[in-house]
Amino acid sequence: DAKTTQPNSMESNEEEPVHLPCNHSTISGTDYIHWYRQLPSQGPEYVIHGLTSNVNNRMASLAIAEDRKSSTLILHRATLRDAAVYYCILRDPLYSGGGADGLTFGKGTHLIIQP
Amino acid sequence: EAQVTQNPRYLITVTGKKLTVTCSQNMNHEYMSWYRQDPGLGLRQIYYSMNVEVTDKGDVPEGYKVSRKEKRNFPLILESPSPNQTSLYFCASSGKRQGATFTGELFFGEGSRLTVL
Repeated sequence: DAKTTQPNSMESNEEEPVHLPCNHSTISGTDYIHWYRQLPSQGPEYVIHGLTSNVNNRMASLAIAEDRKSSTLILHRATLRDAAVYYCILRDPLYSGGGADGLTFGKGTHLIIQP
Repeated sequence: EAQVTQNPRYLITVTGKKLTVTCSQNMNHEYMSWYRQDPGLGLRQIYYSMNVEVTDKGDVPEGYKVSRKEKRNFPLILESPSPNQTSLYFCASSGKRQGATFTGELFFGEGSRLTVL
């Protein structure tokens, strides 16, 4: 399985942008980069995903390096509600192993937002 | 409101007493899955279902059963629970496809915390 490396934790201030890094140096050409987050006492929540181009949605932006060996999830204006564990996951849509969704959740980055 | 609903949310039981955790989704999703989350181990997939009457093992299926008789429901059955099945369980579903495969955009339930004494 292609693996990702994320910092264990990060701190940011409310109403400031947050850049959450993810390294995936062994990414394959068919791996999509997915981001999920898990708020306290809740199930994981889909945030965004992309393949090569940068992606934007209502929750966040995903910036993907040109060589695809790293990516950054950008929260443009953090709120206290964004405090969560953020997971960066590589997923091959042709995955045929132990799970059809092909999502392997690691330990993620614990994002702390200071008021 | 689109959602995945799990019941019960909290349960304390004893070893060997059969239990079922229900999961229901109202989004007409084909794909459903069960995960367990344990400290230091992250989320691990137990079983998944690509559609009605189609189920398959995930990474940690031992001690669990599932069924998919209807599209909206995917119950997790513990025939004889043991203390090592004490965990936080999540059900998830997806209906979004890229051609023949799912996109990986999962909707998760709020979780069911199970304690087996």
